[in-house]
Amino acid sequence: QVQLVEFGGGVVQPGKSLRLSCEASGFTFGNHGMHWVRQAPGKGLQWVAIISYDGRNKYYADSLKGRFTISRDNLKSMMYLQMNSLTTEDTAIYYCAKDWMETSYFFDRWGQGAQVTVSS
Amino acid sequence: SYELTQPLSVSVALGQTATITCGGNNIGTKNVHWYQQKSGQAPVLVIYRDNNRPSGVPERFSGSNSGNTATLTISSAQAGDEADYYCQVWDSRSVVFGGGTKLTV
Repeated sequence: QVQLVEFGGGVVQPGKSLRLSCEASGFTFGNHGMHWVRQAPGKGLQWVAIISYDGRNKYYADSLKGRFTISRDNLKSMMYLQMNSLTTEDTAIYYCAKDWMETSYFFDRWGQGAQVTVSS
Repeated sequence: SYELTQPLSVSVALGQTATITCGGNNIGTKNVHWYQQKSGQAPVLVIYRDNNRPSGVPERFSGSNSGNTATLTISSAQAGDEADYYCQVWDSRSVVFGGGTKLTV
C-alpha cells in the first residue's frame, strides 16, 4: 500500500538549516506531483511547496520563497525540503503529501509528519 | 491572494446532519477538496473535486460547490466524525487551505 515516511526533523537553532526527506513506496513515484504541507502547534494547515512529477516545475508559498527549496529523486522515490534561515515561526509538523495524479493539486495520501522545532 | 473562509466550529447531535461551509470568491468555478484531521493524526482526504468520495470514505460524506460557497455535508453524524475539517483549492500556482472547522458531535 501507499506509504510516505518523513524523516530528518528535530530541534534546530534559529538561523540554521535543516533538510527533510520523504521516502515513498507503494506507487509509481515518478508519475505523481508531491507536496510539503506544515502545521504549526494548534494551528491549521499551511501549504509549503509542490514539485511536479518530473521535477521540472516547483512552486512555493509566497511567504517561504527564497528560504525553502523542494527537490526529488525519482530513481530513489525520495523527496526533499531544504530549509534555510529558520525562525521560530517555522516550528511545525511537516507533512509529505502525494498528489492524486501528475498535477491534480490535491492530496490523496499523507505521511505521518516530521516535527521541526526551531529554538535556541 | 485567494482566501477561503470556514466557520471555526460546528456542533451536531449524534445521528443528525452536519454542514460545514467554505466561502471564497467565485469558488464555484474551482475544484474544492476536503480533508478530515482527527486529533494527533495526519489529514485524510474525504471529498475531492467538489463531490467525489475516495474509496473507503462512507457515503455519509458528500460535497457541493456553487457560487461563493462550497459545502461539506455529513449525514447521520457519528462520534468518530469528530475532527477538524479543511477545505482546499488550487489558485494562481498555490494551494490554499481554509482555516479549518472543528466538528463536535
